[in-house]
Amino acid sequence: KNEVEQSPQNLTAQEGEFITINCSYSVGISALHWLQQHPGGGIVSLFMLSSGKKKHGRLIATINIQEKHSSLHITASHPRDSAVYICAVRYSGGSNYKLTFGKGTLLTVNP
Amino acid sequence: DGGITQSPKYLFRKEGQNVTLSCEQNLNHDAMYWYRQDPGQGLRLIYYSQIVNDFQKGDIAEGYSVSREKKESFPLTVTSAQKNPTAFYLCASGDRGWRVAGNTIYFGEGSWLTVV
Repeated sequence: KNEVEQSPQNLTAQEGEFITINCSYSVGISALHWLQQHPGGGIVSLFMLSSGKKKHGRLIATINIQEKHSSLHITASHPRDSAVYICAVRYSGGSNYKLTFGKGTLLTVNP
Repeated sequence: DGGITQSPKYLFRKEGQNVTLSCEQNLNHDAMYWYRQDPGQGLRLIYYSQIVNDFQKGDIAEGYSVSREKKESFPLTVTSAQKNPTAFYLCASGDRGWRVAGNTIYFGEGSWLTVV
């Protein structure tokens, strides 16, 4: 079964800390997405990766295709970063339209 | 601004009633999706549509129906046959991108459905 595993499930940090959220998957993929879900429920796409590394402001996403692993880093975390972060993958060889989602990581950043 | 609009945000339904959730996008995307989110679970695909007048069942289509008569609209009907309809529903859209490894996906704000 193709699965996406995220860790940790819950993460509490103090403002300013460096944060890492991990995502691992079981078989080859064509793309990996990092998404952010705010308390109201809406989801925003942060990154889409197929290789290497991407950076946007204080957010950095990396992917290691050989190890089937991706990380999302947040530098100098802030309370407004508090949200659920979701990893989703598009598996190679399957429908190019289907994403498989992890269960999410709930991040709480305290002031 | 371009985006995806879902309505209503909150909806209460009596058992035995059908209810339709609206999803509209002005991003000119070919592909649209409906997902269901339950506490402690990842998003699960209900239906998706790659092009107007075509749609495919996802992983949990039973008890749901959709239509795609216009490119910008992909309404989801939760029928009385859906045994556990109380959930958070998310609509999404993206470029069709058959030969592209991956495309950014855009989500709406979601709709909370409660069956009473």
